[in-house]
Amino acid sequence: DTGVSQDPRHKITKRGQNVTFRCDPISEHNRLYWYRQTLGQGPEFLTYFQNEAQLEKSRLLSDRFSAERPKGSFSTLEIQRTEQGDSAMYLCASSLPAGAEQFFGPGTRLTVL
Amino acid sequence: GQNIDQPTEMTATEGAIVQINCTYQTSGFNGLFWYQQHAGEAPTFLSYNVLDGLEEKGRFSSFLSRSKGYSYLLLKELQMKDSASYLCALNRDDKIIFGKGTRLHILP
Repeated sequence: DTGVSQDPRHKITKRGQNVTFRCDPISEHNRLYWYRQTLGQGPEFLTYFQNEAQLEKSRLLSDRFSAERPKGSFSTLEIQRTEQGDSAMYLCASSLPAGAEQFFGPGTRLTVL
Repeated sequence: GQNIDQPTEMTATEGAIVQINCTYQTSGFNGLFWYQQHAGEAPTFLSYNVLDGLEEKGRFSSFLSRSKGYSYLLLKELQMKDSASYLCALNRDDKIIFGKGTRLHILP
């Protein structure tokens, strides 16, 4: 399978705990994006990388959220001190540098109790 | 901003044609996407319009008018598997800004 993969697919955690998600993009894609989607809404942009550089982070993103892409391949998204409002589907997507189309992974569904 | 408006829900009959409209307000963008998303799954790419006009791809067509701030997705010969959400989205500054999506129900 050469598509975008995400791990885990589901995560249930208690409020206040830290969680980390992983995304593996399509191998030749150097752009990687993180989105959050809640029920009945479209995906909301969180942040994106070109290679290992984080180029933009949404102003809506709390300081509790951090993302890395240390070697320009896979990326991790960490949420510290989770809150119930963080419950959502976290989607990762990748694209070629000049290509507009983004290919999405299956997502990680987070439930904060 | 780039407010993106599309109907929340639509219903159509198997074999029929449906048009899903999208309007937006933005000062500039590179192109307009349509994505399909089945419940519980990731969005999948349908179309990308950069220039004004109609892009046809099999049963699906997408139209863009930049001067009118308007796009539509046309689905022909509807099949039950077309039951999904359809997301209108703008490509701006290397990001995709999504609308809330239109949930399409197909009746047999």
